[in-house]
Amino acid sequence: LAKTTQPISMDSYEGQEVNITCSHNNIATNDYITWYQQFPSQGPRFIIQGYKTKVTNEVASLFIPADRKSSTLSLPRVSLSDTAVYYCLAEGNSGGGADGLTFGKGTHLIIQP
Amino acid sequence: NAGVTQTPKFQVLKTGQSMTLQCAQDMNHNSMYWYRQDPGMGLRLIYYSASEGTTDKGEVPNGYNVSRLNKREFSLRLESAAPSQTSVYFCASSVYRENTEAFFGQGTRLTVV
Repeated sequence: LAKTTQPISMDSYEGQEVNITCSHNNIATNDYITWYQQFPSQGPRFIIQGYKTKVTNEVASLFIPADRKSSTLSLPRVSLSDTAVYYCLAEGNSGGGADGLTFGKGTHLIIQP
Repeated sequence: NAGVTQTPKFQVLKTGQSMTLQCAQDMNHNSMYWYRQDPGMGLRLIYYSASEGTTDKGEVPNGYNVSRLNKREFSLRLESAAPSQTSVYFCASSVYRENTEAFFGQGTRLTVV
């Protein structure tokens, strides 16, 4: 079972910053937080990954507080094309990790004009 | 850059028929996975192969078999298809099982009538 909890859906508007929070109260010490994006009729696509503090790439930022009980995916200035399902995973990334990548139901983000 | 290639993209089967879904990756990844995705659901892991020569059950293995033919190829077989197996099937690969940056194929949409 997925070790994470995230909202089922969110709405926002073009040009806004969107923050999707994921709760993971009982992740293991070696678990990384990974986010994927999935468009209809496509396979999920890796967005970003982090262990603690802040990670930023050309697509998004990931904020992980010191207690690592939650994390926030931040999408700056979203557009209509950011409408998708976003999955948060907390899985081992070094030795003795999870049996397989475990996806929950994700957050369906809808961006309106 | 082919990445992860799945065949076929679409398939209709009659109840009781058998078929094999093919998956190949050209990234020299060690680990490969098969998922199914039903409407409104996240991805559920069927089987995975941590490395060439090994396979293990995931969340929902009943009614399926897999073969890790070589490092590149991981096939999923339905011996006697049932309507409950109507779904979209995704294959994925990652460098190692513990590496949570996975790459997905485009999916196979299977309908069992």
